[in-house]
Amino acid sequence: DIVMTQSPESLAVSLGERATINCKSSQSVFYNSNNKNYLAWYQQKPGQPPKLLIYLASTRESGVPDRFSASGSGTDFTLTISSLQAEDVAVYYCQQYYTIPRTFGQGTKVEIK
Amino acid sequence: EVQLVESGGALVQPGGSLRLSCTASGFTFNDYALHWVRQVPGKGLEWVAGISWQGHSVGYGDSVKGRCTISRDNAKNSLYLQMDSLRAEDTALYYCAKDNLFRGYFDSSSHWDHWGQGIVVTVSS
Repeated sequence: DIVMTQSPESLAVSLGERATINCKSSQSVFYNSNNKNYLAWYQQKPGQPPKLLIYLASTRESGVPDRFSASGSGTDFTLTISSLQAEDVAVYYCQQYYTIPRTFGQGTKVEIK
Repeated sequence: EVQLVESGGALVQPGGSLRLSCTASGFTFNDYALHWVRQVPGKGLEWVAGISWQGHSVGYGDSVKGRCTISRDNAKNSLYLQMDSLRAEDTALYYCAKDNLFRGYFDSSSHWDHWGQGIVVTVSS
């Protein structure tokens, strides 16, 4: 199984400041034949299901604010919230969909400082 | 609007059985693969099972393989998870999730674009 490791486990950021979450996979999720990284980011607010933010490592889902961006390739990925808003308080998960079983990072809790 | 609504959660004794359902609306149900994912409260997410758009191809996570059966009834826009020989460690919130890929298989490299609200399964004596 591909192990997804996120860091940090939690972070507290002031409103309007940048939040950065890292995700590392135990093997590459890059598919050479089409140059795509099969990596998604989800946001989960308390009492809610996960919500898709990013897919193919850097493509924002429709309706997701542009303060959310993501990058990376191969085994190392980053999710950035450029200017943290109160409504961004949540747990963020990375997920690989390169292979079965689909696996998730352990989550990163983002709070307001 | 895509909606996925889980039902069937309950308190069950160890060794018991349960069938979860997920009823979908807002999209052409029989054109998309679907998955079950679970989450222990306060913990992370675990893929449980997936099924292709036609229902002919299925896959399971190691922790439930041999004890769970995923199925779908495209005429009823419904996804199911039959859970047998339940264990305490199966206690979790169970979500159904829709695959993004048109006419994909459970192992197609596709992200999940919609999730249900989840249903609680508790296994305890």
